[in-house]
Amino acid sequence: DSGVTQTPKHLITATGQRVTLRCSPRSGDLSVYWYQQSLDQGLQFLIQYYNGEERAKGNILERFSAQQFPDLHSELNLSSLELGDSALYFCASSVAGTGNVNEQFFGPGTRLTVL
Amino acid sequence: ELKVEQNPLFLSMQEGKNYTIYCNYSTTSDRLYWYRQDPGKSLESLFVLLSNGAVKQEGRLMASLDTKARLSTLHITAAVHDLSATYFCAVGDFNFGNEKLTFGTGTRLTIIP
Repeated sequence: DSGVTQTPKHLITATGQRVTLRCSPRSGDLSVYWYQQSLDQGLQFLIQYYNGEERAKGNILERFSAQQFPDLHSELNLSSLELGDSALYFCASSVAGTGNVNEQFFGPGTRLTVL
Repeated sequence: ELKVEQNPLFLSMQEGKNYTIYCNYSTTSDRLYWYRQDPGKSLESLFVLLSNGAVKQEGRLMASLDTKARLSTLHITAAVHDLSATYFCAVGDFNFGNEKLTFGTGTRLTIIP
């Protein structure tokens, strides 16, 4: 158990809908990262937040957005869902301070199925 | 654009044998991570390699990094069934605490008794 929690574990929804995935980082970690894992695209970095601020952005679609709240939990919002958005979504966290080591610890993931 | 290639994609090996998984990447980086993923599970951090020539070992696994060759290897010694999993390398683009990880395609390792 990495200490990173994600809810829900599974989500089944229809095309065109909107969903919210939630992540709580490990105690003491200030950075949260979101990743998407699918069969055709592999593991892709979406976005990083550090202490409430967006810090790095990857291949995140405009239909997707994220935020990190004052208590450091983060939410990933996916809207106008398409079949191709079906994937496993992981959240990871790290201390990400001024030090060089930035090991990321992954949560259990949310499996999203769009029908 | 950074590209990370792993080979082989699939590896089936007998217990007790040694083998190496290779991770090549296309642009300069001195940060390389190895993760393990069991089917349907999350990613477990195995090694963090932060400099040229870094070598780390844990049990039957040893990872190394050659930043000049843009190559990392994960060596498995005397494989046992418990090591069956998918192994990913990831290259870090690090900037003042902000980091993007670019993952390789993964190597699905099956250890046959």
